[in-house]
Amino acid sequence: QQQVKQSPQSLIVQKGGISIINCAYENTAFDYFPWYQQFPGKGPALLIAIRPDVSEKKEGRFTISFNKSAKQFSLHIMDSQPGDSATYFCAYPPWVAGRRALTFGSGTRLQVQP
Amino acid sequence: DTGVSQDPRHKITKRGQNVTFRCDPISEHNRLYWYRQTLGQGPEFLTYFQNEAQLEKSRLLSDRFSAERPKGSFSTLEIQRTEQGDSAMYLCASSPAESTDTQYFGPGTRLTVL
Repeated sequence: QQQVKQSPQSLIVQKGGISIINCAYENTAFDYFPWYQQFPGKGPALLIAIRPDVSEKKEGRFTISFNKSAKQFSLHIMDSQPGDSATYFCAYPPWVAGRRALTFGSGTRLQVQP
Repeated sequence: DTGVSQDPRHKITKRGQNVTFRCDPISEHNRLYWYRQTLGQGPEFLTYFQNEAQLEKSRLLSDRFSAERPKGSFSTLEIQRTEQGDSAMYLCASSPAESTDTQYFGPGTRLTVL
């Protein structure tokens, strides 16, 4: 049962370039869409999240944009740095049994070359 | 460091042995989650506690798996009669009662079953 489709699977970007990761959702009738960042050997950490009442949210070099008609969210990393090299996950966020039942996408492995 | 901690960080065991992992959530976080992550995939939900009550278990959690959170603080995940297919990273996460959207992940326990 596919609830979120993430692409690309891997991405190589030159330092200073723009990294773009997409997530397509079957159902966008939720109140919260988070993106997590995971470095090798570490657990995932919340990077940025958006509520669908806005079409874009920016935090530093990271921006989430929401295309409602395409049911797609995109993460843009501006001025990509080698320190951004990590795996990025979007998550499907319904409430189940009183918890945020995060179902993660398959991940995008980003490599930023110096 | 007041983040989520997990012990051990690595565990190598032989097939058929039992293993137990421990998770110490962020202090005062009443919600605790266990996930499993295999190579190249996003974390998959295993089970969820609210205080000491185990409120939900995934179909992924076979009869060989058991989790406890006896005093509503730390939690343990036990795998009995381990199989090679159990090899994965086991992640613990916690969230506070007042803000359940964000889950704070620990560094994980990497299990290798030989």
